[in-house]
Amino acid sequence: DAGVIQSPRHEVTEMGQEVTLRCKPISGHNSLFWYRQTMMRGLELLIYFNNNVPIDDSGMPEDRFSAKMPNASFSTLKIQPSEPRDSAVYFCASSLGDRTIEAFFGQGTRLTVV
Amino acid sequence: GESVGLHLPTLSVQEGDNSIINCAYSNSASDYFIWYKQESGKGPQFIIDIRSNMDKRQGQRVTVLLNKTVKHLSLQIAATQPGDSAVYFCAENLYNAGNMLTFGGGTRLMVKP
Repeated sequence: DAGVIQSPRHEVTEMGQEVTLRCKPISGHNSLFWYRQTMMRGLELLIYFNNNVPIDDSGMPEDRFSAKMPNASFSTLKIQPSEPRDSAVYFCASSLGDRTIEAFFGQGTRLTVV
Repeated sequence: GESVGLHLPTLSVQEGDNSIINCAYSNSASDYFIWYKQESGKGPQFIIDIRSNMDKRQGQRVTVLLNKTVKHLSLQIAATQPGDSAVYFCAENLYNAGNMLTFGGGTRLMVKP
């Protein structure tokens, strides 16, 4: 299994631009998570899907952030418009679900907003 | 003004010695815990887990101890190797929080050859 696949690995964009981060979870996994990692705040959960349905988005910082999971094999995290304080590493993770909680992480997308 | 980042606790050990990394968790209702290892430029990787009905679990070179009375978790690494150098996170799951994991701040382990 290729594991959780994220793209792009690195993204540099100008303030005000739209950014879309992509994730392909491990096949057969029912739960998907988006995390953000910064030096200031550590590893924060942004949103959590179960069976493609958003379950908890209380970690999404603002309306500028949105996430979708149109099917079991694909999810996006969009920031529009982006701001310099959004610069961070964004991780996608997936787990089997049904109380099998171990989450497998992708390699992350390093976002820099200038 | 100058931004202040998370000050990661750092544990420095000699190669071959045993390492103990500690974690205080926040919620007494948490019933499942995981230790993750994160190497530079990579995502966190699962090391070992433990449920709240246990107080000890052993893996290969690693042992996790759980003390629910004081809400404390520890990770012991035997015969620490240079490849163990990384940031280690504990994560907790609340019994009624679905599959969500809440991560601690992390500890950096540095292994001196």
